[in-house]
Amino acid sequence: KNEVEQSPQNLTAQEGEFITINCSYSVGISALHWLQQHPGGGIVSLFMLSSGKKKHGRLIATINIQEKHSSLHITASHPRDSAVYICAVSYSGAGSYQLTFGKGTKLSVIP
Amino acid sequence: DSGVTQTPKHLITATGQRVTLRCSPRSGDLSVYWYQQSLDQGLQFLIQYYNGEERAKGNILERFSAQQFPDLHSELNLSSLELGDSALYFCASSATGRRVTFGSGTRLTVV
Repeated sequence: KNEVEQSPQNLTAQEGEFITINCSYSVGISALHWLQQHPGGGIVSLFMLSSGKKKHGRLIATINIQEKHSSLHITASHPRDSAVYICAVSYSGAGSYQLTFGKGTKLSVIP
Repeated sequence: DSGVTQTPKHLITATGQRVTLRCSPRSGDLSVYWYQQSLDQGLQFLIQYYNGEERAKGNILERFSAQQFPDLHSELNLSSLELGDSALYFCASSATGRRVTFGSGTRLTVV
């Protein structure tokens, strides 16, 4: 069974800090996803990665397939980045969004 | 507005009852996914439909069923409801080459 572990569970940062959230998984995957869940409950897909690195604005996601590890970085964090960030994986032979989810990292950015 | 519409937003019902959750996917998306988010289990993939046909099943209980209609909207039917079925139910849709889009969810409370 593919387990997805995220760390830390909770993270509090000062505005402007560089933030890193980590995700590790136990078996081979076809893709890894980073999702953002706002306090109101809505979920937004941030990245889908199968290798390398992707950047969107202040967000950067990387994945190391050999080490079965991914990181989500937020540069120059802002209070509006406060949310739960969820790592999820899909594996070969399954549809892209038949996902196994991590438990999430709750980020609070303080002004 | 993400383009994926879920109704109702909130639902309160009694144990033993049956409810239907509805999802209209983003225009052009053929795949619909259902997920459940509960406090104890976190996010779980339930079931996927593609262009009217069931494509994959995840951790979906036998008391739950879903279908996708010719106009591509989907319904998730939950029957013989138990207290433990209280959760947020998300629908998401995707198409080849497009990232998944989540609806805002239906919050089900079983009392």
